[in-house]
Amino acid sequence: DIVMTQSPLSLPVTPGEPASISCRSSQSLHRNGYDSLEWYLQRPGQSPQLLIYMGSKRASGVPDRFSGSGSGTDFTLRISRVEAEDVGIYYCMQALQTWTFGQGTKVEIK
Amino acid sequence: QVQLQESGPGLVKPSQTLSLTCTVSGGSISSGSYYWTWIRQPAGKGLEWIGRLYTTGSTNYNPSLKSRVTISADTSKNQFSLRLTSVTAADTAVYYCATYGDFGFDFWGQGTLVTVSS
Repeated sequence: DIVMTQSPLSLPVTPGEPASISCRSSQSLHRNGYDSLEWYLQRPGQSPQLLIYMGSKRASGVPDRFSGSGSGTDFTLRISRVEAEDVGIYYCMQALQTWTFGQGTKVEIK
Repeated sequence: QVQLQESGPGLVKPSQTLSLTCTVSGGSISSGSYYWTWIRQPAGKGLEWIGRLYTTGSTNYNPSLKSRVTISADTSKNQFSLRLTSVTAADTAVYYCATYGDFGFDFWGQGTLVTVSS
């Protein structure tokens, strides 16, 4: 089974400042020219929503302040300038072998 | 735009069977290239994939739950269902149905809380 490990698990942020979350997989997610890595945001009281797929591609309607990078086993989600609506729990998920989620990173305003 | 709605009992007794249904609108569970999926989230914890049903009718289950899970479809009602047998308190969670398309879980239900308690 592929294990996904996120860090940090808690991230206090200041509005207007950048933020980043790391995700590591126990084996490479790169196959057929792309990485099977997705990022989701679960806002308080809501269902998760897709932010990033194939490691770096923004889903429809996702603001461009969100970006994904990395390849193989190490990935990063960056928010260029945090806004108040960005609070919630961020999950990375591998989609190479069925699916496995990371533990989640709770982003909250300082 | 696909919409999903979970339904079923909110309280299940230990050792009994949890049964939930996901009603799909705006899309057909028997067409396209989608995985119709169940995911759960215990209170204050992360997301766990339970199982999935492909449009062809094939299924896959999380190995940790495989012996207790069945996902099935009722194409006449455009619904798919989850059965989880021999439940314990550890199965208490919010259960989501969701669709996985070409590029991720793009549509989710609102989730339904199922509590296992006597």
